[in-house]
Amino acid sequence: NAGVTQTPKFRVLKTGQSMTLLCAQDMNHEYMYWYRQDPGMGLRLIHYSVGEGTTAKGEVPDGYNVSRLKKQNFLLGLESAAPSQTSVYFCASSYRGRNSGNTIYFGEGSWLTVV
Amino acid sequence: QQQVKQSPQSLIVQKGGISIINCAYENTAFDYFPWYQQFPGKGPALLIAIRPDVSEKKEGRFTISFNKSAKQFSLHIMDSQPGDSATYFCAASYGTASKLTFGTGTRLQVTL
Repeated sequence: NAGVTQTPKFRVLKTGQSMTLLCAQDMNHEYMYWYRQDPGMGLRLIHYSVGEGTTAKGEVPDGYNVSRLKKQNFLLGLESAAPSQTSVYFCASSYRGRNSGNTIYFGEGSWLTVV
Repeated sequence: QQQVKQSPQSLIVQKGGISIINCAYENTAFDYFPWYQQFPGKGPALLIAIRPDVSEKKEGRFTISFNKSAKQFSLHIMDSQPGDSATYFCAASYGTASKLTFGTGTRLQVTL
């Protein structure tokens, strides 16, 4: 069972470069999320999607864009990378329930360094 | 503004001891409180979760205690083992989108 798969796992970017992180889930989940994890700050929500073709901003959306063209994929884009975007990025997904409390499944992370 | 505050930042416990991690929240709309466990190089994984209609939930050696009036909840790991050494995050959410707000994490080390 693949679960939530992120690519690439590691990437080094120069300031100003662009890149896309790809997330794929094989659990037929409706909801997908992108979080970033920084030392001492826990995980913070960047953007999320409650269904194919829909996206919404999270807690720290500036500098990022997302797209959900297919239900199983959720792409996170950095148009002009900045050193402040050096972080570990986690994609996650969950099924749609009637209320909060759906188990959220995380990928193994993508380590991004911007120099 | 941090909506979920977690302490301590790090914790060292001897094998067989009890590990206790505390969290406090501000938003009274939160209605789901999970704990996630993360090993180095891996993504967080759900460990145990509770809803505010109960004061305690136990799963094996892991127990969540919940105090709604104080807006606090805690994770207790009984008989802590070296394999429990990991980073633990408390979290909270509300609404159908299940967006989690995380605490800052506690790095637990269980020594022999």
